[in-house]
Amino acid sequence: QKEVEQDPGPLSVPEGAIVSLNCTYSNSAFQYFMWYRQYSRKGPELLMYTYSSGNKEDGRFTAQVDKSSKYISLFIRDSQPSDSATYLCAMSGTGRRALTFGSGTRLQVQP
Amino acid sequence: GAVVSQHPSWVICKSGTSVKIECRSLDFQATTMFWYRQFPKQSLMLMATSNEGSKATYEQGVEKDKFLINHASLTLSTLTVTSAHPEDSSFYICSAPERANYGYTFGSGTRLTVV
Repeated sequence: QKEVEQDPGPLSVPEGAIVSLNCTYSNSAFQYFMWYRQYSRKGPELLMYTYSSGNKEDGRFTAQVDKSSKYISLFIRDSQPSDSATYLCAMSGTGRRALTFGSGTRLQVQP
Repeated sequence: GAVVSQHPSWVICKSGTSVKIECRSLDFQATTMFWYRQFPKQSLMLMATSNEGSKATYEQGVEKDKFLINHASLTLSTLTVTSAHPEDSSFYICSAPERANYGYTFGSGTRLTVV
């Protein structure tokens, strides 16, 4: 069993839709949770990061962490074609340790 | 925000040759640099962790004599793929934790093709 599970998609939605991306994990030591966006052949770009459980909102993006269920989500409101990319969840325990990534979800927003 | 500059962005080399990939932290000091490898349509897999002034720590299954990592200064870490083979063809990415917050900054990646 992988430490972090993420549905690979692809997920195709019409422009303006609300997108929900999710990851589950098994390691209870994870404290920091991040979402990255990766365009083809580019390095990942940090979208959101949260510490422990709770919600965080930044513009059209909302990240949720439920440590009791070991479940994290990223919501994208009013999705745009430019949001088409692969979205990776990532997490880490305390200290500056390497991130453990999900497999990534490919999102396609249709104009 | 913090920037990690990675070069080259892509490289093609012949089997048996060596390739060096550089990652520089431009506006912060990176005491730690993580090196990842990513195969097509797959996620990032940690290869090794380098710390400035000390030997790198390699993940299980990663050959330390093949993937040489040097972190001689607080702003530069290098990965050298020695005696490259076609199976080493992949996307290599470096990452460093930022000091100001808990975000991790990634380089733009290097696409290595060994022919």
